[in-house]
Amino acid sequence: GNSVTQMEGPVTLSEEAFLTINCTYTATGYPSLFWYVQYPGEGLQLLLKATKADDKGSNKGFEATYRKETTSFHLEKGSVQVSDSAVYFCALKPWAGGAQKLVFGQGTRLTINP
Amino acid sequence: EAQVTQNPRYLITVTGKKLTVTCSQNMNHEYMSWYRQDPGLGLRQIYYSMNVEVTDKGDVPEGYKVSRKEKRNFPLILESPSPNQTSLYFCASSPAYRGRGSPLHFGNGTRLTVT
Repeated sequence: GNSVTQMEGPVTLSEEAFLTINCTYTATGYPSLFWYVQYPGEGLQLLLKATKADDKGSNKGFEATYRKETTSFHLEKGSVQVSDSAVYFCALKPWAGGAQKLVFGQGTRLTINP
Repeated sequence: EAQVTQNPRYLITVTGKKLTVTCSQNMNHEYMSWYRQDPGLGLRQIYYSMNVEVTDKGDVPEGYKVSRKEKRNFPLILESPSPNQTSLYFCASSPAYRGRGSPLHFGNGTRLTVT
């Protein structure tokens, strides 16, 4: 079946540090891949996405590249800020069918200290 | 403003007392869905709806009901809540046929506690 595995959290970094949150997936065919961010007390917001192999999604300084050979979609940012503190979810949308169902990873809580 | 609105934001209830969490979207989306979020498990889909009067089970439907009588509304019903349904619930919507990259739009969540 379809599944997403994220690195265990919580992750704590200092401001301006480099960030990587690992995400790997299992799926048949060619899923679409997403990163969502959840700020405290809010719902999930789309951060970035990629719909085919080798696509790079980017937004707000975050990047992730769809790597089919390693079934990965790792999230990176070169210099994090305190305002990036949130929970990050990796997700996939399966290839088949018209449904919009997303399969989520367990989430990674990120805390950035000043 | 385009949004998904859930009510209430917080709810404390007792075992067995029926409750409804409302969800409404103003984007004319065909697809709507309910998820629950639990620590270490991410988000799991409860039910979804592809359009009015079309609903189907997600991965964890036991103990829940939904209805889709109007396009904008998708209430979640717990007929007899139990403590294992204590969770954070999210409603989400999306255009049904806008391509594989169309994202889900989420409400701000309902934190339910069943004692």
